[in-house]
Amino acid sequence: DAGITQSPRYKITETGRQVTLMCHQTWSHSYMFWYRQDLGHGLRLIYYSAAADITDKGEVPDGYVVSRSKTENFPLTLESATRSQTSVYFCASSFTGLSTDTQYFGPGTRLTVL
Amino acid sequence: SQQGEEDPQALSIQEGENATMNCSYKTSINNLQWYRQNSGRGLVHLILIRSNEREKHSGRLRVTLDTSKKSSSLLITASRAADTASYFCATVMTTDSWGKLQFGAGTQVVVTP
Repeated sequence: DAGITQSPRYKITETGRQVTLMCHQTWSHSYMFWYRQDLGHGLRLIYYSAAADITDKGEVPDGYVVSRSKTENFPLTLESATRSQTSVYFCASSFTGLSTDTQYFGPGTRLTVL
Repeated sequence: SQQGEEDPQALSIQEGENATMNCSYKTSINNLQWYRQNSGRGLVHLILIRSNEREKHSGRLRVTLDTSKKSSSLLITASRAADTASYFCATVMTTDSWGKLQFGAGTQVVVTP
């Protein structure tokens, strides 16, 4: 199906383990984003990418790594998971990244770090 | 700290009633957007209002923007059970070179039949 997908949808891991969350979009959108959603904080931007091989930090990048070797994929890696990274993670994409451009969100990945 | 803050945090109404929620922000914006999130789902874009606009309509949605007060409101008329969701405002600040969204914490709306 066309759109933006995330995998896995649910993940439980232990402190110190490496975890990779996957994001795939079929629209050939230039911009892709990773957010985390925590109660009382709304969505906070972790990293974004303006194109393949171009990534930049958002508001809360510490403890996360991203890559974008292909336009359609934007994986997010937690190199050594901590309990504070328990959250719901959303991937999003937009065609141009312009201020008037709509962002399209994936269904989210609920990550629990024990 | 968050750029946008919604008020109220939660709202419970009956079908057919109107739902109004407000968003306040701190710095100058290019535009303000409203998104809806159904339980367990991703966010869905509802409407965008530019800084030079005062009011915008889309179906049963009406958005107003008052840049002098740095506030916006979202009105959902004749609400339905399917409108039960969390609603988020998101701003694009004038200081950002691209469409970086700053989200508020959201208003949780429950519409009972």
